[in-house]
Amino acid sequence: EDKVVQSPLSLVVHEGDTVTLNCSYEVTNFRSLLWYKQEKKAPTFLFMLTSSGIEKKSGRLSSILDKKELFSILNITATQTGDSAIYLCGSGGATNKLIFGTGTLLAVQP
Amino acid sequence: DTAVSQTPKYLVTQMGNDKSIKCEQNLGHDTMYWYKQDSKKFLKIMFSYNNKELIINETVPNRFSPKSPDKAHLNLHINSLELGDSAVYFCASSRQPGLAGATNTGELFFGEGSRLTVL
Repeated sequence: EDKVVQSPLSLVVHEGDTVTLNCSYEVTNFRSLLWYKQEKKAPTFLFMLTSSGIEKKSGRLSSILDKKELFSILNITATQTGDSAIYLCGSGGATNKLIFGTGTLLAVQP
Repeated sequence: DTAVSQTPKYLVTQMGNDKSIKCEQNLGHDTMYWYKQDSKKFLKIMFSYNNKELIINETVPNRFSPKSPDKAHLNLHINSLELGDSAVYFCASSRQPGLAGATNTGELFFGEGSRLTVL
């Protein structure tokens, strides 16, 4: 059965810290891995990764995929309180279903 | 201008009742989904429709019945509600059912969720 595992489950840091969130996956006929940020309501899209070793970057956030080791990381540098959220990793393959992990709850303290 | 909108946003009801949640998307997407997020924030797919046709049906009790009158709408009807149905239900849409392809980004656009509380 396809599955996605995220770690850590939760993380508390101070503003200015750099954090790394992990996502490992086991998906039949893997097609893509997606990262979402969920604050109070709807998850909002951050990145989609399909190829190994190519870093995607958006401001202080970046992500990379390792298809050999079946994992992805999401890095956030110089964290701000507005980065506090649940970060969801989802992956899909032949079934066209996007399977999510349990998320990482990030709390950034002033 | 909301892309994926769900109603109601909050729903409190008694066990045994029947309720519906409606979803509409104005993005022109072909594919719509229902996800359930439990109290531990685990987001799990329930159903997916592509152009009004059911394409994904996870192991969900048959008390849950999705209906797609057209490709812009996907409603969720729940019969005989149970305590364990309490969750946030998210509707989502994507251009095509495939998660990555030549013509789509694979991105899901989520609605703001409908929080269902069964007492």
